[in-house]
Amino acid sequence: GENVEQHPSTLSVQEGDSAVIKCTYSDSASNYFPWYKQELGKRPQLIIDIRSNVGEKKDQRIAVTLNKTAKHFSLHITETQPEDSAVYFCAASRVADGLTFGKGTHLIIQP
Amino acid sequence: NAGVMQNPRHLVRRRGQEARLRCSPMKGHSHVYWYRQLPEEGLKFMVYLQKENIIDESGMPKERFSAEFPKEGPSILRIQQVVRGDSAAYFCASSLAKHYGYTFGSGTRLTVV
Repeated sequence: GENVEQHPSTLSVQEGDSAVIKCTYSDSASNYFPWYKQELGKRPQLIIDIRSNVGEKKDQRIAVTLNKTAKHFSLHITETQPEDSAVYFCAASRVADGLTFGKGTHLIIQP
Repeated sequence: NAGVMQNPRHLVRRRGQEARLRCSPMKGHSHVYWYRQLPEEGLKFMVYLQKENIIDESGMPKERFSAEFPKEGPSILRIQQVVRGDSAAYFCASSLAKHYGYTFGSGTRLTVV
């Protein structure tokens, strides 16, 4: 089955700086890669996703890049703000399978 | 559209009791997924259902756990004879179609005492 590794487990950045979270996956057949943001005690919320026919996708301050050859994908948050503080999960899946999630990255934005 | 509704939000059960967790998907969504989240962990896939059918239950423990999504009514995750290790947050998600972007419910936090 699929195995997703996520790094780092904790990331602390100064407000206004950029944050990058990286994930690798094992199943070359995976073709869907979403990112979720989970605030303490709340539901995971989809913030951006990418499919395997696209290398990069951007939505305002958030971008995701995908390297299918190397089997890794990354989340980039620019101009970080205090409300970006949360746990971020990457995930991967292929047709007929449920999502396999990484263990999460606790992002801390320092004022 | 009220989103994915899960209830109860919190559930306390004694060891050996049964836990029933309910999930109503978003209107129009026929794909339902259940995930378990242990403290400080990511979400682990349990089961994927479409109306009246279990599509993939590869993440579900073989004993004590079952899931259904009847033609009418919510999806139910049932845990029989609960043990302390079942304590976790259980999230349900639904989607319009496969890979169309899940929407998660607020979760049910099960505590086994």
